[in-house]
Amino acid sequence: GQQVMQIPQYQHVQEGEDFTTYCNSSTTLSNIQWYKQRPGGHPVFLIQLVKSGEVKKQKRLTFQFGEAKKNSSLHITATQTTDVGTYFCAGDSGGSNYKLTFGKGTLLTVNP
Amino acid sequence: SQTIHQWPATLVQPVGSPLSLECTVEGTSNPNLYWYRQAAGRGLQLLFYSVGIGQISSEVPQNLSASRPQDRQFILSSKKLLLSDSGFYLCAHTSRRSPYGYTFGSGTRLTVV
Repeated sequence: GQQVMQIPQYQHVQEGEDFTTYCNSSTTLSNIQWYKQRPGGHPVFLIQLVKSGEVKKQKRLTFQFGEAKKNSSLHITATQTTDVGTYFCAGDSGGSNYKLTFGKGTLLTVNP
Repeated sequence: SQTIHQWPATLVQPVGSPLSLECTVEGTSNPNLYWYRQAAGRGLQLLFYSVGIGQISSEVPQNLSASRPQDRQFILSSKKLLLSDSGFYLCAHTSRRSPYGYTFGSGTRLTVV
């Protein structure tokens, strides 16, 4: 079945440093989504990327979808303590069930 | 607006006892519904999904079952819980309109003792 690998598992940064997490799918994706889960909370949808090579920005967050639609990355510029949490990528292979396969997530901690 | 309700928030159950977790969605019709389990606070494992009333697809053979008796109601059940059923259970829906991101419920933390 489809697998989505995400690295690194953990990342600890000093406040103000940049952060990047990478996601790689074993199959070509219809779209890829990113979620953030704060400690003790539930995942919250951040963004969806659909087009090959697509780049989207949300303030300090930059999301990229690879040309082959099999990999993606999330980059945070100048991290803040509010960025703490686990970031998940999730791949959608297409179809009317909109079933997502989640990566294992990257836990980001920020030292103030 | 669309909201998703999930309860209870926490649950401690003895081994061998039954389980029933309920999830309801408001503000949308005919949603796709999903049950995920998150173990040890990390990866999300898809357990069941449903594209309509009475339509359940199982992703992982296990001690659990799911039902969708109404359009916006999704129930996760077990007849006899195992220790390995402990985890964080999350219900989610998507409205099939772009963007197709999931909206998750607040989750149920189940501890089987």
